Amino acid sequence: AIQLTQSPSTLSASVGDRVTITCRASQGITNALAWYKQRPGNPPRLLIYDASRLKSGVPSRFRGSGSGKYFTLTISSLQPEDFATYHCQQFDTYPLTFGGGTKVEL
Amino acid sequence: QLQLQESGPGLVRPSGTLSLTCAVSGGSISNGNWWTWVRQSPGKGLDWIGDISHTGNTHQNPSLKSRLTISLDKSRNQFSLRMTSVTAADTAVYYCARLTEEPGTGYYYYYMDVWGKGTTVTVSS
Repeated sequence: AIQLTQSPSTLSASVGDRVTITCRASQGITNALAWYKQRPGNPPRLLIYDASRLKSGVPSRFRGSGSGKYFTLTISSLQPEDFATYHCQQFDTYPLTFGGGTKVEL
Repeated sequence: QLQLQESGPGLVRPSGTLSLTCAVSGGSISNGNWWTWVRQSPGKGLDWIGDISHTGNTHQNPSLKSRLTISLDKSRNQFSLRMTSVTAADTAVYYCARLTEEPGTGYYYYYMDVWGKGTTVTVSS
């Protein structure tokens, strides 16, 4: 199975900060990567798919980039509602796999 | 607007069978897409369990495959998960979700864009 390694596992930040989360795949997955945001007690919410395509309705401060094995999620200016856990997921090969998650905290 | 709702027992005995249903409303389960199950153990990340297409084809996580059945009920517009021989390690929040397959330029985009709220399943005697 393809392993996804997210870093950091926890990130301390403040409102207005620029935040970058990385997701590394154990083998190349082209652009078949999605990013999700999850707040406590809620299901994941899709932010980005195909590595860099912003889901309709998601604020433009979220940006995804990368291809192959290395991907990043950047939040240009952190807002209070962005304190959450972020997950990457690959769709290149079954079994589908998720990264371990990155918690963005104050 | 498409909505998904999980239902099933919140408590299952060790060695028993976990059965969950995901009811789909605001759209038809037969209109393409894949329908998937994901779980999240307490304080942990997300684990993909398996999925089923609108035609009944399935993929299953190899780590669970021997214990897993995913099925579709088009007449009730729902899909289901059945997991046998459960242990405490199967304690988790279980989510159902739509896995969308969107045609792009030369390939397909995939993403899980609609999720249920999740249901907590505890395996305990």
